[in-house]
Amino acid sequence: AQRVTQPEKLLSVFKGAPVELKCNYSYSGSPELFWYVQYSRQRLQLLLRHISRESIKGFTADLNKGETSFHLKKPFAQEEDSAMYYCALSGSNTGKLIFGQGTTLQVKP
Amino acid sequence: DAGVIQSPRHEVTEMGQEVTLRCKPISGHDYLFWYRQTMMRGLELLIYFNNNVPIDDSGMPEDRFSAKMPNASFSTLKIQPSEPRDSAVYFCASSLSGTKGYTFGSGTRLTVV
Repeated sequence: AQRVTQPEKLLSVFKGAPVELKCNYSYSGSPELFWYVQYSRQRLQLLLRHISRESIKGFTADLNKGETSFHLKKPFAQEEDSAMYYCALSGSNTGKLIFGQGTTLQVKP
Repeated sequence: DAGVIQSPRHEVTEMGQEVTLRCKPISGHDYLFWYRQTMMRGLELLIYFNNNVPIDDSGMPEDRFSAKMPNASFSTLKIQPSEPRDSAVYFCASSLSGTKGYTFGSGTRLTVV
């Protein structure tokens, strides 16, 4: 079964501190992994996807197939990074996207 | 393109009433998804369509919920009768097969009193 787990509901850090939002998945195949961000009361926006191997707004995420993880990292958090972050998985043979529970990132000044 | 358009933005209704949420996907996208967002459950996939055909409705909570996509540019999610536990933000998203680039609408905040 497809499943995405984000173990932390809330992550609170100070500005300038490193950030790691954890994401683990289960899928019997080759999944595509994504991170979406939702700023306060706004629509979800795609932040990055593992196949792009890009850095967006200073965030990066590496797919670790051995650990079935796709953690989101940023070396120095900014206050404007405060938002809800969702990890999501899409199977290779399906068009649907399954989300984790989400983690609220709070960056304090 | 104006993106995925949902209406209404906010809906307040009384328990037992029928509620209809609307979604206009991005032109040319062949997948459409309905999600429900709550504090307790996060984002849940309710149903999704491919080329206007429902593919997976296993996330629809119960028979009170129904969704249709009569054409490529319009979908509805209906709740009849509505209950207070249906209060949530309902998101619609669309994508083009092969790209996996999902675009979300602004959501409809439903409150059932």
